[in-house]
Amino acid sequence: EPEVTQTPSHQVTQMGQEVILRCVPISNHLYFYWYRQILGQKVEFLVSFYNNEISEKSEIFDDQFSVERPDGSNFTLKIRSTKLEDSAMYFCASRGDSSSGNTIYFGEGSWLTVV
Amino acid sequence: GESVGLHLPTLSVQEGDNSIINCAYSNSASDYFIWYKQESGKGPQFIIDIRSNMDKRQGQRVTVLLNKTVKHLSLQIAATQPGDSAVYFCAEIFYGGSNYKLTFGKGTLLTVNP
Repeated sequence: EPEVTQTPSHQVTQMGQEVILRCVPISNHLYFYWYRQILGQKVEFLVSFYNNEISEKSEIFDDQFSVERPDGSNFTLKIRSTKLEDSAMYFCASRGDSSSGNTIYFGEGSWLTVV
Repeated sequence: GESVGLHLPTLSVQEGDNSIINCAYSNSASDYFIWYKQESGKGPQFIIDIRSNMDKRQGQRVTVLLNKTVKHLSLQIAATQPGDSAVYFCAEIFYGGSNYKLTFGKGTLLTVNP
């Protein structure tokens, strides 16, 4: 069964450093998302991406965050200067068009620890 | 307040019993609802979905019920197994033109006792 894959599974970084989290969405999907989950809390929306541009972003997704689809398969989330409060599990997700269903499928997550 | 929430943060059941996990939502315009299962250290895993024009949908050992009158969603798991132990999130989806917004609830921790 097709799945969303994410790398790295876990990353520890120094505060102020740049981090890039990588995702390979399901191959025929068109819509891409990043969500995050702080330990013990619910999953929160960060950003959605379609047709090579951001379609919606939350208040969390400030100027320190950016997303990119550098080629036909990868979808990345960059945090320019990490803060302690960026420590969380980051989930990539993807969705096909309406004809293939409306479910968002999630990857296994990248656990980011900022020290 | 949050537009999607759960009545119970934890639920403990005996193996073999049926489990019912509840969810309240406040956006009557939501078009679609999904139940996700999240095991420790893993991503949300799709379980079952239901459109807003449906009242009930059944899957393998799971049933989702939607009561639009009281804006209530439930997930029923038949013959609960230890492998069902996880956090269960309901999520509502709203289509606004070309926008698609998925909002998660807080989650219910289901513990299955052998």
